[in-house]
Formats: sequence, structure tokens, C-alpha cells
Amino acid sequence: DTGVSQNPRHKITKRGQNVTFRCDPISEHNRLYWYRQTLGQGPEFLTYFQNEAQLEKSRLLSDRFSAERPKGSFSTLEIQRTEQGDSAMYLCASSSRQRGYTFGSGTRLTVV
Amino acid sequence: AQSVAQPEDQVNVAEGNPLTVKCTYSVSGNPYPFWYVQYPNRGLQFLLKYITGDNLVKGSYGFEAEFNKSQTSFHLKKPSALVSDSALYFCAVGPYGNKLVFGAGTILRVKS
Repeated sequence: DTGVSQNPRHKITKRGQNVTFRCDPISEHNRLYWYRQTLGQGPEFLTYFQNEAQLEKSRLLSDRFSAERPKGSFSTLEIQRTEQGDSAMYLCASSSRQRGYTFGSGTRLTVV
Repeated sequence: AQSVAQPEDQVNVAEGNPLTVKCTYSVSGNPYPFWYVQYPNRGLQFLLKYITGDNLVKGSYGFEAEFNKSQTSFHLKKPSALVSDSALYFCAVGPYGNKLVFGAGTILRVKS
């Protein structure tokens, strides 16, 4: 059990570029969540998957954001045409009925 | 709408004294509150969660939380604070197995 892994840890990108983050959940966890945390705020829910099915998306997830979880294993979160307001920590979590939630260390995105 | 309130932006306590970090919530269905701790530039670390039937829940590092159904509160407590407890604490609540709604966080400062 290596926990929830997120890559990269840090990403600096120019405004207008596309970025993609990866999350590897705990292997036996069937649910995977993405949250966004801005400075001084609590994490805000973005979307979650049960296995490969994306079950819910927040209104925060504009059409520039897309998340996938092919084969119900790892997940990717892509942001197209990044804006400065996208700068935040992006957190991934996975959960199971037995073990509850486990969060990754996050990917910090800075858009310059 | 579901919401979690942490009324204090910051709590200051002297080392060795008891501490309380407050959390109240409003959620539909049966609430399942959690406490997480976050250190600078790190992800969220699980402290404890409500377990059905236990109004006083014990968690990691000597922390405990008191569940009060009538007041919809889940205050975090510790009998004797340590300087190393200084961090950012988040209360989160969700329906079981579903997304979590987070409070804005409370900075805990323990002074020696």
C-alpha cells in the first residue's frame, strides 16, 4: 500500500497552455475524487469516479477541465487554455467502504 | 445546500493546555464528519472520523472529537497541546462514501 500518488508535485505553466495531472489511487479503492484548494480556503470538490464512470461534476469544472479514469485505475485531470485563476493545489483522493478516504500530496499549479 | 463552518480562523493555545477547534455543519442525510490536518505545501492527513454510535471519537496523535447531533457539531479536542500540533485543520462532512464538503480551515498555533 503506497498511498495515493500524484504527479507532478509542482507545475508552472504559461497562460493559455494545456496541463495534465495524474493520480494513482490505492489499488483496491473504487472511488476517486478530485478537489481544488486555493490559498486560504478549504478544498472544493471538482468531480468523482466510481471505477471508470464519472458520477458527478461540480459547477466549478468548466468546459476547459476534463477528467478521465480509463479502466478504473489511474485518473488524469486536464486543464486546457489555462488562466491565472486556475492556480491552485489540485488534490486527488480515493476511498473504499472499508478504509475511507486517503488524499494524495497534491499537484500545485502556478499559471504565469 | 451542504455547508461546513469553522468559525475561528485561528486558535492560539499555550503548550500543555487543552485545545478545541470548532466545527458545525449542515448536510442532508446522515452526516459523517471528519477532521484532517494540513502542513505547509502538503496534502491532507486524516486525523479522525465519526463512527456511528460513538459521540466521542478518538483519533491520531491524541486528538479526539465530540459529535453532537442536536447541535450538528463535531469539535476537535486535545487535552494537552504540543508545539508540533501547530498546523491548519480542516473539518469535512459528507454522506457516507460520497464527496466531502470542507470548512475553510482553522490555523492552530501552539506556543511554548
